[in-house]
Amino acid sequence: DTAVSQTPKYLVTQMGNDKSIKCEQNLGHDTMYWYKQDSKKFLKIMFSYNNKELIINETVPNRFSPKSPDKAHLNLHINSLELGDSAVYFCASNRQGLWTGELFFGEGSRLTVL
Amino acid sequence: AQRVTQPEKLLSVFKGAPVELKCNYSYSGSPELFWYVQYSRQRLQLLLRHISRESIKGFTADLNKGETSFHLKKPFAQEEDSAMYYCALATGGTSYGKLTFGQGTILTVHP
Repeated sequence: DTAVSQTPKYLVTQMGNDKSIKCEQNLGHDTMYWYKQDSKKFLKIMFSYNNKELIINETVPNRFSPKSPDKAHLNLHINSLELGDSAVYFCASNRQGLWTGELFFGEGSRLTVL
Repeated sequence: AQRVTQPEKLLSVFKGAPVELKCNYSYSGSPELFWYVQYSRQRLQLLLRHISRESIKGFTADLNKGETSFHLKKPFAQEEDSAMYYCALATGGTSYGKLTFGQGTILTVHP
């Protein structure tokens, strides 16, 4: 009965590689997000999709490309990984039209770039 | 641009002591503020929102527009309150929502 699930939970890779993190929610929500938590625990929004349409795109390098095949999935692909990409990436969702400020978060995916 | 500041990265108290986690915000519009909590090995989750004006797990938070603050308070801390707490500001209106988080405060309640 997991609400927002992310895979993988841990990812260790070399600089220059390309990697993806997947996110799925079974809450029937319309809007999904990617947040990045850096080593100092800052939690910053990266992207948001509503019904497969990009609605928020913060200042993120274009090496990061989100993809939403349907409203229940939002994947994050990262090209040419750099050391500074090491972080915990959180997926979240909420129901559009019923904005209450409550985001439902996944468990996070810890990316380590060596 | 909106901004949320939590001045304390770490906060330690003893069980039964009062606790206050500070949060200040900067926003030109009408603020909508929240506290989120992440317990050890659990997901980040909503603790309370200012418009509800409710007490959750003994915690309350009052929005002070004059001081642009939204401090989280509990009169008697419990060990199970130990967690990471994030203050968050919502912007974007009803068309879509976006939360801007502070840098978080790790609360440790000692026995």
